[in-house]
Amino acid sequence: DIQMTQSPSSLSASVGDTVTITCRASQSISIYLNWYQQKPGKAPKLLIYGASSLQSGVPSRFSGSGSGTDFSLTISSLQPEDFATYYCQQSYSTPNTFGQGTKLEIK
Amino acid sequence: QITLKESGPTLVKPTQTLTLTCTFSGFSLTTSGVGVGWIRQPPGKALEWLALIYWDDDKRSSPSLRKRLTITKDTSKNLVVLTMTNMDPVDTATYYCAHVTAFYGAGPALDFWGPGTLVTVSS
Repeated sequence: DIQMTQSPSSLSASVGDTVTITCRASQSISIYLNWYQQKPGKAPKLLIYGASSLQSGVPSRFSGSGSGTDFSLTISSLQPEDFATYYCQQSYSTPNTFGQGTKLEIK
Repeated sequence: QITLKESGPTLVKPTQTLTLTCTFSGFSLTTSGVGVGWIRQPPGKALEWLALIYWDDDKRSSPSLRKRLTITKDTSKNLVVLTMTNMDPVDTATYYCAHVTAFYGAGPALDFWGPGTLVTVSS
């Protein structure tokens, strides 16, 4: 299985800040990397697919980059509704493993 | 409008078999590039990918659970069924089904999710 490692595990930030979450794969996965946002008690929501393609309806303050083994999700100008847990997922090979999550909290 | 919903027992006993049904609308599982996946999340923990079935009946499952998992589809009824045998308390989790789109050049992604169903394994 391909292991996905996110950092940091948790992060505190303020409204208006820009934050970056990183995700590292245990082997090269090209651009087969997705990002999801999950709020407490809710199902995850797809934000980014193919490392950098923004899912329809997702605000443009969310952006993704990377290829190979190293990827990042950047959220610009944080809004109150962005405080949630974020997961990366590789779709290069099954099982399509997830990272352990990054909890973004309000400072 | 794509919607999915999971259904099944909320409580199962250890060693029993869990059968979960994902009923969906707004898409057909006969459409090229479309699939339905299952994911679970133990309370307070991370997401775990379980299995996936595509429009062409291509089936994938987690190697660590493969012996216990079966995934099937009924395209006429718009549903996907996941069975997991020999349930254990560590299998207590919220189980989600999700619509899968195989984006060209970008791989599959879980782009629409059901609300999830909490399954507790306890005697």
